[in-house]
Amino acid sequence: NAGVMQNPRHLVRRRGQEARLRCSPMKGHSHVYWYRQLPEEGLKFMVYLQKENIIDESGMPKERFSAEFPKEGPSILRIQQVVRGDSAAYFCASSPDQGGAFFGQGTRLTVV
Amino acid sequence: DAKTTQPTSMDCAEGRAANLPCNHSTISGNEYVYWYRQIHSQGPQYIIHGLKNNETNEMASLIITEDRKSSTLILPHATLRDTAVYYCIATHNQGGKLIFGQGTELSVKP
Repeated sequence: NAGVMQNPRHLVRRRGQEARLRCSPMKGHSHVYWYRQLPEEGLKFMVYLQKENIIDESGMPKERFSAEFPKEGPSILRIQQVVRGDSAAYFCASSPDQGGAFFGQGTRLTVV
Repeated sequence: DAKTTQPTSMDCAEGRAANLPCNHSTISGNEYVYWYRQIHSQGPQYIIHGLKNNETNEMASLIITEDRKSSTLILPHATLRDTAVYYCIATHNQGGKLIFGQGTELSVKP
């Protein structure tokens, strides 16, 4: 049973470009979560999704950030018009209906 | 979710047991205690969770006090590879986000 798969592992974008981060949850998991970790800081919750629904986006910045978890395919975290302050590690986790969440290895976004 | 309190850092000698405490005095009856760790900026790793009974798996043991206001994660024979930040989280067991605090930075020393 493959774990949570995130790609790419590393992503470099110039200021103003778009970043798309992908997350494939574990088989049988219908809940997906995105977290951000700025350099030398803790893990911050961004958004919680189920298939085709955003359940909790209380941690998402109000502008430029969006997330989706379509009926088919991976969950996508999209950052438009990236700025240097978006440079961080972005972690995705998935969980079943009951039980804990399992995390992917993250995507490290660098904005130059 | 209930707030948890952990020491900022701890040291442990290699080969000895590491006992990591966590206070969760406001935990509600249906909230579980989860433990995760993050090794040097890797993705957080699930360790163990429990409701009120003590739990053990291949990684660790979880001891929860009878009043459920605190718990201890035990790594029975710590190795250098157990050096990490350990997070204790009280949360419901039915989906829902995990809120990470500052955790305990465990340093295992030779």
